[in-house]
Amino acid sequence: NAGVMQNPRHLVRRRGQEARLRCSPMKGHSHVYWYRQLPEEGLKFMVYLQKENIIDESGMPKERFSAEFPKEGPSILRIQQVVRGDSAAYFCASSPKGPNTEAFFGQGTRLTVV
Amino acid sequence: KQEVTQIPAALSVPEGENLVLNCSFTDSAIYNLQWFRQDPGKGLTSLLLIQSSQREQTSGRLNASLDKSSGRSTLYIAASQPGDSATYLCAVRPDDYKLSFGAGTTVTVRA
Repeated sequence: NAGVMQNPRHLVRRRGQEARLRCSPMKGHSHVYWYRQLPEEGLKFMVYLQKENIIDESGMPKERFSAEFPKEGPSILRIQQVVRGDSAAYFCASSPKGPNTEAFFGQGTRLTVV
Repeated sequence: KQEVTQIPAALSVPEGENLVLNCSFTDSAIYNLQWFRQDPGKGLTSLLLIQSSQREQTSGRLNASLDKSSGRSTLYIAASQPGDSATYLCAVRPDDYKLSFGAGTTVTVRA
């Protein structure tokens, strides 16, 4: 059973470009969460998705950021018109259904905006 | 709003010494607490998950305790090794999905 897979591992974008981050949850997991880790800061919740539904996006910036988890395929975190402040490590986690289940994290995507 | 604090921020010990990492949280209404390890430039590896009804969990040299009423958890690592050098993160689940993370304790075990 492969773990949570994120790609790419490293992504460099120029200011104004779009960044697309992908996350494939563990097999059998239908809940996906995205977290952001800014340099020298802790991980912050961004968005929680189930298949085809955004459950909670309260941690996501209102503009330029969007997320989806389609019926088929990986979850996508999209950042439009990136700025230097978007440079961070973006982690995806998945868990099976239920409130008391363990969260498993991917290796993260390190986004650098130049 | 849930606040999670980890003390100390950094810790350096000689090999063989026991490690004690502390985590405190402000809201005791949690579902569970999870300890993670993060190596530089890498992802998070789950070490231990303690449900709110439990007092402790053990895995090998690792033992984590939870005192929900006082908002505290402690991670003990026995007989530390250089391979234990990493950042250790504490995270609480205050509702059914979001994890609130502490800033971490960076551990260095000297050979």
